[in-house]
Amino acid sequence: AQSVAQPEDQVNVAEGNPLTVKCTYSVSGNPYLFWYVQYPNRGLQFLLKYITGDNLVKGSYGFEAEFNKSQTSFHLKKPSALVSDSALYFCAVRAKAAGNKLTFGGGTRVLVKP
Amino acid sequence: EADIYQTPRYLVIGTGKKITLECSQTMGHDKMYWYQQDPGMELHLIHYSYGVNSTEKGDLSSESTVSRIRTEHFPLTLESARPSHTSQYLCASSAMDRNTEAFFGQGTRLTVV
Repeated sequence: AQSVAQPEDQVNVAEGNPLTVKCTYSVSGNPYLFWYVQYPNRGLQFLLKYITGDNLVKGSYGFEAEFNKSQTSFHLKKPSALVSDSALYFCAVRAKAAGNKLTFGGGTRVLVKP
Repeated sequence: EADIYQTPRYLVIGTGKKITLECSQTMGHDKMYWYQQDPGMELHLIHYSYGVNSTEKGDLSSESTVSRIRTEHFPLTLESARPSHTSQYLCASSAMDRNTEAFFGQGTRLTVV
């Protein structure tokens, strides 16, 4: 079975400071990893994904994520957070061994203070 | 914006009523999913489909049922709603390739009173 862990329920950061949202995963075989963001009363919006190749992937709204195979991690980062980045962030994994189902982590609430 | 639509956005209904949550996508995606989202935000897969006439139970047991008669349509039905069904329901779709991202609808917030 595959699983995703987001160890922090909430991350607080001051505007302009770097933002990191942590994600670790457990799968059999090669993982396909995704980050999504959810604003209040909305569905999830895709931010970025890692499939293969360069371990550092860049996505929407200035976000990037680094795939680390040895640590089975895929942390989301933004060099300078904005108040408008306050939202829920979900990490997800998909793997062939799990029937290609998309499994989500528990989510992390990000609060960026002015 | 993704071309996947859920209706209604909000629904308040009495116990024992039958309800159907609609989900449609215009992207021609074979895969479709229903997730239930806790008030505490965690997402649970309750149903998925890999194409017409294909439906599977997800990771979280649900009393709801789904059908997939047309590629673009994946409705979810509760035969007899209960307060424990109160939740946010999110529909998603993706292409068959496992390296493609899923697209989500806006969600339906269901309240059973």
